[in-house]
Amino acid sequence: EVQLLESGGDLVEPGGSLRLSCAASGLTFSSYTMTWVRQAPGKGLEWVSTLTGSGGITYYADSVKGRFTISRDNSKNTLFLQMNNLRVEDTAVFYCAKGKGLYDYWGQGTLVTVSS
Amino acid sequence: DIQMTQSPSSLSASVGDRVTVTCRASQSIGSYVNWYQQRPGKAPKLLIHTASTLQSGVPSRFSGSGSGTDFTLTISSLQPEDFATYHCQQSYDMPYTFGQGTNLEIK
Repeated sequence: EVQLLESGGDLVEPGGSLRLSCAASGLTFSSYTMTWVRQAPGKGLEWVSTLTGSGGITYYADSVKGRFTISRDNSKNTLFLQMNNLRVEDTAVFYCAKGKGLYDYWGQGTLVTVSS
Repeated sequence: DIQMTQSPSSLSASVGDRVTVTCRASQSIGSYVNWYQQRPGKAPKLLIHTASTLQSGVPSRFSGSGSGTDFTLTISSLQPEDFATYHCQQSYDMPYTFGQGTNLEIK
């Protein structure tokens, strides 16, 4: 059974940094493109970033480009999202999901709150 | 970016009802639409991909249709566990955008 478990969410001040992790199990992790999707409180889903299985190709939403960095450690079956220069509008639950444009497995999410 | 517009944004219905949710894309996207169900406080769950293909394990009362710009998600006979928020998403071109969601509530 595929399982994705996010961690790292926290309360941070504007301008601060956080690193999210997503631990994967039940799949050949390195074979799959992985994605981060976020959901602001009471809002819809927003695609954030995608990384190919090898880690060689990255994609970012314009809203996070230059501030967020997606990466992975295939030896540890873990996906990361380094978030710098956080803004109030980045407040959201962040989900990791398996896939590039079609997300068939999702983690339970981790809450990032950006507030002073 | 491709805009996905869902309607209605909220819907009240009763157990046993047939309900339809619509999603319109701002440009033609073939059949590259996926539908997700999200229960309160939970992660989204893939229901239907490529407009009409039911994901494994999803009950057959769920169906999807459409192509080009107009797509529908239909639940043929609502069950108590179906009251949730439904999201459409296009996977035609990046950024892979979602609709704003349809909140299906118990009448």
